[in-house]
Amino acid sequence: EAGVVQSPRYKIIEKKQPVAFWCNPISGHNTLYWYRQNLGQGPELLIRYENEEAVDDSQLPKDRFSAERLKGVDSTLKIQPAELGDSAVYLCASSLQTGDREQYFGPGTRLTVT
Amino acid sequence: KNQVEQSPQSLIILEGKNCTLQCNYTVSPFSNLRWYKQDTGRGPVSLTIMTFSENTKSNGRYTATLDADTKQSSLHITASQLSDSASYICVVTDGYKLSFGAGTTVTVRA
Repeated sequence: EAGVVQSPRYKIIEKKQPVAFWCNPISGHNTLYWYRQNLGQGPELLIRYENEEAVDDSQLPKDRFSAERLKGVDSTLKIQPAELGDSAVYLCASSLQTGDREQYFGPGTRLTVT
Repeated sequence: KNQVEQSPQSLIILEGKNCTLQCNYTVSPFSNLRWYKQDTGRGPVSLTIMTFSENTKSNGRYTATLDADTKQSSLHITASQLSDSASYICVVTDGYKLSFGAGTTVTVRA
């Protein structure tokens, strides 16, 4: 069974530029999560989708971050414009459903903003 | 304030030795506690999941304990191997939202 797929794995951009990350969850998983992980810290939830609906985006900086999950399968997270403080690893995870279900994480995208 | 605190922040051990990582939490209500292993450059991978009624669970050389009364958990690594070098993250859920600890970075040296 294929795991959660993310691309790109690494991205270096200059500040004020836009950037987008892509995630393909495990087949059949209805719930998709985007996390941001700063160096030496645990992941922080940015947004959670149930199918195509964003049900928890309270931690998403909406002035510059946006996400979509069209058709309830793969998802894209965008930052526009990027700031130096956005440098982090962006993790995508999926689970069969919300709650106690096991979350499976992708390898992450390491973003460096210069 | 983070609801999940881990200690130590990092540790170095010699190959073959044992070590224990600690996790204290204040998450309430409590549903389950998970330990994840995160290799450098990879996403976290689940090691154990424990519910309120479980006080110990093993996965190979990894043994997790849970004291729901004191809200403490530990992860014990037995006979460490070089491949155990990673960050170990404690995650507590109320059944809806996951709260992550900052992780303990373990370095195993030959």
